[in-house]
Amino acid sequence: QITLKESGPSFVKPPQTLTLTCTFSGFSLSTNGMGVAWIRQTPRQALEWLSLIYGDGSKHYSSSLRDRLTITKDSPKNRVTLTMTVMDPSDTGTYFCAHSPNYWRFATWGQGALVTVSS
Amino acid sequence: SYILSQPPSVSVAPGETAMITCGATNIGSKSVHWYQQRSGQAPLLIIYYDSARPSGISDRISGSNSGDVATLTINSVEVGDEADYFCQLWDMSSGDVVFGGGTKLTVL
Repeated sequence: QITLKESGPSFVKPPQTLTLTCTFSGFSLSTNGMGVAWIRQTPRQALEWLSLIYGDGSKHYSSSLRDRLTITKDSPKNRVTLTMTVMDPSDTGTYFCAHSPNYWRFATWGQGALVTVSS
Repeated sequence: SYILSQPPSVSVAPGETAMITCGATNIGSKSVHWYQQRSGQAPLLIIYYDSARPSGISDRISGSNSGDVATLTINSVEVGDEADYFCQLWDMSSGDVVFGGGTKLTVL
């Protein structure tokens, strides 16, 4: 059974940096083709893809946010971390991590972590 | 950037068929995935590669993709199908994953 869980701060002040961690089980990022993605959902319920990292170390970022995002992995500890710099109130939303078995689909999602950005 | 257009809402009576569309130029040339999100829950993958169903997903749910429209079809709709539905694909030209705006399915 694959599970993922997001952890990190619930509140962030602008223009601080957000760091979120995804801890997962049931698969290994060392397996060829496996990946973990970050996706957020705005208060208006729109979904927005942020980043994806594969077991081979390749990293992919949203073209509109790539300057603010960094994704890393710790395969032995089954963790993926996302940092987002210069947080703004418009970044408020629920941040999900998800398992990507191949070809840019998200087969299993974490429960999500609500992040509020406010001064 | 590539934009996926979904109707904001679809309403059907129990037992009827719901069809939710996802429109974009030449979407038929891409692989489309669909997610169901019930209130307060994380999205759930229900269709991948246009028409494949993950294990455990009801066979009342099906997908198709041709031309400029991908379609999610739910037969014999039940109250439990009430949820938001999102289409998604990977746009090779931009390297971005793109989601549709979502469709709220209401079971009357």
